Amino acid sequence: SHVLTQTPSVSVAPGKTARITCGGNNIGSKSVHWYHQKPGQAPVLVIYYDSDRPSGIPERFSGSNSGNTATLTISRVEAGDEADYYCQVWDSSSDHPVFGTGTKVTVL
Amino acid sequence: QVQLVQSGGEVKKPGASVKVSCKASGYTFINYGLSWVRQAPGQGLEWMGWISGYTGNTNSAQKFQGRVTMTTDTSTSTAYMELRSLRSDDTAVYYCARRDGGTYSYFDYWGQGTLVTVSS
Repeated sequence: SHVLTQTPSVSVAPGKTARITCGGNNIGSKSVHWYHQKPGQAPVLVIYYDSDRPSGIPERFSGSNSGNTATLTISRVEAGDEADYYCQVWDSSSDHPVFGTGTKVTVL
Repeated sequence: QVQLVQSGGEVKKPGASVKVSCKASGYTFINYGLSWVRQAPGQGLEWMGWISGYTGNTNSAQKFQGRVTMTTDTSTSTAYMELRSLRSDDTAVYYCARRDGGTYSYFDYWGQGTLVTVSS
């Protein structure tokens, strides 16, 4: 089954750009979704189908996916973006999802 | 607005069972499936299984097969997840999440989570 690897942690200064990667074999052939999760809270969908944003998610959040890497980009980072971020794909052969290992984003 | 409201935290002894509920509102229950995802302390997200709101068909992760039962009550728009033969490593926050997106599904709404603590 799919294994999705994320960098454990990313640190970024306020106002700068954070890039969170999700690596997987030929992940570019799948649709990737992203969630953020703040301490003590449930995950929240921030990007679906590689680059679509649910209503209420700021335009600062964007996504891309190609080859073996999907990327979530957070522009003009704010203190409130500090959270754990998870990527996810759906494995259609087994009909179950696969989550990435998670990335902790720290705003300096 | 879509809401998934879960039952309260539970403390169980090893070997016991726990049943967590997830009451849905704000959408047509039978039009979506619901998944159960758990998160052990300090760990990542682990998918347990999902149930179709329409057919009641289920699919669970191999790790939990034989130990988890997922059901729904369409009359109250509520989903249930029962986990049996609890062990200490089942201590986790358990979430229900609505599945959307068809073949390449994602989870667009999540419950608030239910902490299940397994301790003797």
